[in-house]
Amino acid sequence: AQRVTQPEKLLSVFKGAPVELKCNYSYSGSPELFWYVQYSRQRLQLLLRHISRESIKGFTADLNKGETSFHLKKPFAQEEDSAMYYCALSPTQGGSEKLVFGKGTKLTVNP
Amino acid sequence: GAGVSQSPSNKVTEKGKDVELRCDPISGHTALYWYRQSLGQGLEFLIYFQGNSAPDKSGLPSDRFSAERTGGSVSTLTIQRTQQEDSAVYLCATSGGSSYNEQFFGPGTRLTVL
Repeated sequence: AQRVTQPEKLLSVFKGAPVELKCNYSYSGSPELFWYVQYSRQRLQLLLRHISRESIKGFTADLNKGETSFHLKKPFAQEEDSAMYYCALSPTQGGSEKLVFGKGTKLTVNP
Repeated sequence: GAGVSQSPSNKVTEKGKDVELRCDPISGHTALYWYRQSLGQGLEFLIYFQGNSAPDKSGLPSDRFSAERTGGSVSTLTIQRTQQEDSAVYLCATSGGSSYNEQFFGPGTRLTVL
């Protein structure tokens, strides 16, 4: 079975502090992993994906197959980072490329 | 260019009524997905279309739920005999073209079943 776990429903940090949003997954094959973000009153949008290995808005995420994790990190949080963050997995077998989402972490960056 | 659009943005209905939710994809996107976002359940996959066919319907929660896609474009999600537990935000996403595998989401339809 495919499963994505985000253990923290809520995460609150101060501006300028480092932030890490945790994501663990369960999948028997080699998945594609994504982070999606939903800012207040906006639609869900892609933040980054592991195959791109890029940094978006200062965020990075490294796929750790040994620990089956894909944690999202940013060294210095900004107030505009406050949003709902979803980790998602796309199974590479089966062909549908659907996304299996975690339940999300609401990040609040305080001034 | 225009993104994914969905209509209506809000729908309030009575238990037992049928509802239709519409998704207009980004032009040229061949893949279309429906998801449901509800409190406590997060985002759940419902159904996937490639063109007009639906090779993956594994997420539809019951036979009251159905979806179709015509002309490789517009999709309609139909919920028959709605129940209160169907209340949720229904999201449509599409992918294809140059941004292979990135799913672009619509604004959603908020369904409330009284």
